[in-house]
Amino acid sequence: GESVGLHLPTLSVQEGDNSIINCAYSNSASDYFIWYKQESGKGPQFIIDIRSNMDKRQGQRVTVLLNKTVKHLSLQIAATQPGDSAVYFCAEPSGTYKYIFGTGTRLKVLA
Amino acid sequence: GAGVSQTPSNKVTEKGKYVELRCDPISGHTALYWYRQSLGQGPEFLIYFQGTGAADDSGLPNDRFFAVRPEGSVSTLKIQRTERGDSAMYLCASSAGQGAYEQYFGPGTRLTVT
Repeated sequence: GESVGLHLPTLSVQEGDNSIINCAYSNSASDYFIWYKQESGKGPQFIIDIRSNMDKRQGQRVTVLLNKTVKHLSLQIAATQPGDSAVYFCAEPSGTYKYIFGTGTRLKVLA
Repeated sequence: GAGVSQTPSNKVTEKGKYVELRCDPISGHTALYWYRQSLGQGPEFLIYFQGTGAADDSGLPNDRFFAVRPEGSVSTLKIQRTERGDSAMYLCASSAGQGAYEQYFGPGTRLTVT
């Protein structure tokens, strides 16, 4: 399939290991954040969200951590699988409906 | 259930031509968004519809770009006098309503202007 991006920051992880993808956001007033996964040739897919009144939220194999002090988000993927290979974007709202997306991180899972 | 669909999946056109990109949102979703994604970048907002009206078109790069949603469902993004710089992935998303709701994205249309 077509590559989403050729010069993205890349994280290479051994299958079965945990992955941590980081994101810095710009607006200290942002109250909601989303992580999206984008596989090659596909649109972004929602993974998990978090509101600013939380510092941690867990989903299935994924955890998002929010550090408002330094305006930092991280996405942790437990027991990374080959199907996790994709580009991951964090997004923060701009106003009440627009989202601003980060540049993305490519996750490569090594067999 | 059916997700957001976009047609065509790929479009190759010559510089100066007119193109239309179509988006079918999830049934019942009142909010519809168009984004553009260049290689190596995150999606960039173009326009937002709430129902039939364009509530915010501030992301459209210039007046060659226009979008409509006449019946509050299907939307068409129209690009006149295409330029090579218009080449990108055009993504459509829909959500159940205004606000910090999850946006569901379609697979995108890859536009290439030669």
